[in-house]
Amino acid sequence: NAGVTQTPKFQVLKTGQSMTLQCAQDMNHEYMSWYRQDPGMGLRLIHYSVGAGITDQGEVPNGYNVSRSTTEDFPLRLLSAAPSQTSVYFCASSPTADSTPQPQHFGDGTRLSIL
Amino acid sequence: AQKVTQAQTEISVVEKEDVTLDCVYETRDTTYYLFWYKQPPSGELVFLIRRNSFDEQNEISGRYSWNFQKSTSSFNFTITASQVVDSAVYFCARYSSASKIIFGSGTRLSIRP
Repeated sequence: NAGVTQTPKFQVLKTGQSMTLQCAQDMNHEYMSWYRQDPGMGLRLIHYSVGAGITDQGEVPNGYNVSRSTTEDFPLRLLSAAPSQTSVYFCASSPTADSTPQPQHFGDGTRLSIL
Repeated sequence: AQKVTQAQTEISVVEKEDVTLDCVYETRDTTYYLFWYKQPPSGELVFLIRRNSFDEQNEISGRYSWNFQKSTSSFNFTITASQVVDSAVYFCARYSSASKIIFGSGTRLSIRP
């Protein structure tokens, strides 16, 4: 059982480049989310999705786009990378049971450096 | 924004000491959920506990215990007889009615042998 799979694990980009961080889960979870982790800032929510075709903004959405065309996949796109987006990115998923939030399953993270 | 505050940035104790990690949250919701997660040095995030706003009973799981007090908007985490393996960053998080799960900034706990 793979759980939540993030690719790549490491990436170095130049300022202005674009890229997509991939996230896939095989648990048929409805809820998926992206966080970034920076020293002293904890985990900050970028975007989240409560199901296929539905996405919404979190705390720090600027500079990032998401889409959810399938239940399994929730890619995060950096449109024009900036040094301020250097961070560790975590994808997470959880099932939903009515309105009771379930514990999230996290991927192993993607370490992204923008030069 | 309705924040989750973990005022203790870093804590260092000697093994076998008890240690309490503080979490204070803000919310305008009547119904909400609180979580604690652990991030060991290996980097993965591990779920520890979930608590809903209607259940103020304290919970104990082995050496871990949680004290939820709505009157002070706090959900504190105590490790009894700490061990080196407890060294990690611990995050408190809150689920809001808008389906957002907001994390605190984390407390880095170091247990010295």
